[in-house]
Amino acid sequence: EAQVTQNPRYLITVTGKKLTVTCSQNMNHEYMSWYRQDPGLGLRQIYYSMNVEVTDKGDVPEGYKVSRKEKRNFPLILESPSPNQTSLYFCASSPSPSGSIYEQYFGPGTRLTVT
Amino acid sequence: QKEVEQDPGPLSVPEGAIVSLNCTYSNSAFQYFMWYRQYSRKGPELLMYTYSSGNKEDGRFTAQVDKSSKYISLFIRDSQPSDSATYLCAIFPGGGKLIFGQGTELSVKP
Repeated sequence: EAQVTQNPRYLITVTGKKLTVTCSQNMNHEYMSWYRQDPGLGLRQIYYSMNVEVTDKGDVPEGYKVSRKEKRNFPLILESPSPNQTSLYFCASSPSPSGSIYEQYFGPGTRLTVT
Repeated sequence: QKEVEQDPGPLSVPEGAIVSLNCTYSNSAFQYFMWYRQYSRKGPELLMYTYSSGNKEDGRFTAQVDKSSKYISLFIRDSQPSDSATYLCAIFPGGGKLIFGQGTELSVKP
């Protein structure tokens, strides 16, 4: 089944404890992206990757890191999480024909709570 | 001014009603306009997209873009309880970015 998977689905952690949320897609998509979703603010883009070894900032990159060492995986790293990073996180991928990434396939989401 | 603005609702309608969901955007250069649907506890999924202006129809759903007023709309005819979800408008400004509205929560009551 073609899909985007995220792990973990739920995570409660403490301020300052480094964590990684994994994202993997099995559709051979070139493009991948991370979003956070907060009430009243909608989906906001954190980072995206047009291809392997190519990453770029979205609208809210502060406090996050990403890497794209292989096509299928795009982990999101929080080196020192803070309570304002408590949110619902989504990973997405796109086949990106001719660079048009408007058709994105989303994972199931990761609910992160930082205390 | 936000690049995309959407009334968050919530919106509650009876089954069979026509639903109108709307967004405004700020940059007249935008060309790609999308509607995503998000069921509770799920990731968003692409419902429809429109390039430039005009209408696009898919079954009970119609997406409309009015570039002169920078307004995008999604109409749902004969709404069903299964249409209950959050609807997010989105704009692709080019490059790798996708800009979403805040989302409108829709509830269709039987």
